[in-house]
This record gives sequence, structure tokens and C-alpha cells, in this order.
Amino acid sequence: GEDVEQSLFLSVREGDSSVINCTYTDSSSTYLYWYKQEPGAGLQLLTYIFSNMDMKQDQRLTVLLNKKDKHLSLRIADTQTGDSAIYFCADDSGAGSYQLTFGKGTKLSVIP
Amino acid sequence: DAGVIQSPRHEVTEMGQEVTLRCKPISGHNSLFWYRQTMMRGLELLIYFNNNVPIDDSGMPEDRFSAKMPNASFSTLKIQPSEPRDSAVYFCASTIDTGYEQYFGPGTRLTVT
Repeated sequence: GEDVEQSLFLSVREGDSSVINCTYTDSSSTYLYWYKQEPGAGLQLLTYIFSNMDMKQDQRLTVLLNKKDKHLSLRIADTQTGDSAIYFCADDSGAGSYQLTFGKGTKLSVIP
Repeated sequence: DAGVIQSPRHEVTEMGQEVTLRCKPISGHNSLFWYRQTMMRGLELLIYFNNNVPIDDSGMPEDRFSAKMPNASFSTLKIQPSEPRDSAVYFCASTIDTGYEQYFGPGTRLTVT
């Protein structure tokens, strides 16, 4: 079946950039997503990218997609303590599918 | 707007007891998902409903788990009998057919002793 892999932990200093990486196996993905989970809360969509794009920028967030290598990354510029959370990469199973496969999440710790 | 509502937020029960988790999706959404989150296995999709009909229940661990969606505004996930390995956070999420974003509830933290 499909698989999504992420590193489990990332620690950065406040003000630095954070880069969270993800690899996936499903070549039929239409959209790839980044969700954020704060302590004690559900997941919240942060951003997404269409599989035919290679980059998307949204304020402090930059998503890069290398479809050939099935590699997705999320860059957070000027990381703040409020960015401390778990970040999940997810992909769908192709057009018309709303069933997502999630990675195990990367816990981002921001050091003041 | 109220988001996805789940109850209870926390549940502690003894092994062998029946547990019922409840979910109210966002009004107008017609797809509903139940997920289980553990440290070891991450976030797993248990079952997916579309227009109140179960479409894919291949993630339901075993016969002890059952889910229903009697109408568009309510769903339950039942575990009978519960076991300690069922301890996890259970999330409900909803979306609309034409949407790409799944809206998650706050989750129910289940502890089975």
C-alpha cells in the first residue's frame, strides 16, 4: 500500500528557518498536504500543493515538490515559538479520492 | 461556525467494557472519517463514510470495532469489548465532496485499563 515517511523530530532556534521533509510512494497523488497538530488538538490544514506544481509559497511557508523523487518539503521562515507543533505530510490516492495517507508526523521544537 | 464536535473528550474505562465515541460533522459536509492516533502507528484511517454510507472500512482493526452513521449529522464508533491496546486518541474528520480539506475534531482520548 501507499506509504508516507517523515523524520520524527526537528529542533530549531527561534528566528531560523525550519525545513521538514517527507517522502511518499503513491505516484497517483493529486494533492499533497501539510497538516499541523498543536498539543491536545486535532489536525488543521496548513497548506497543500497540486501534484503538477513544484513550488507554492504562502507567507512564511514554502512547499517544494519533487515529483520525480516523490519528495515533499515544508519550509517555515523566521520560525516562532508558536510554530512548535507536530507537522504531518499527507497524500491522497489520486483524483476523486478523499482518503488521505498520513506520515507519522514531525515534532518541531523551537528553542527561544 | 461550529467545527467538528466529538464527545467525550476523555474516556477511561476498564477492559471488557463497551465504549461509544460520538461525532457531529460540520453541517453540509457529506464525507466523514474516523482515525486512530497512537505513538507507534501514527494516524490510521479506520473507516470512511460518504453520504452516510460506509465506503471503506478496511482500517477497522477487528470485529470488536463498529461504526454507524444513521444520519448526516451524527456518527458513532463503538468498541465492544474494549482492550488496553485500544488506548489511543480517536479523531473524527469531515469534508464535502468537492473539498480538499478535511476538518478534524479535537479528538477523544481513550484509556482502557
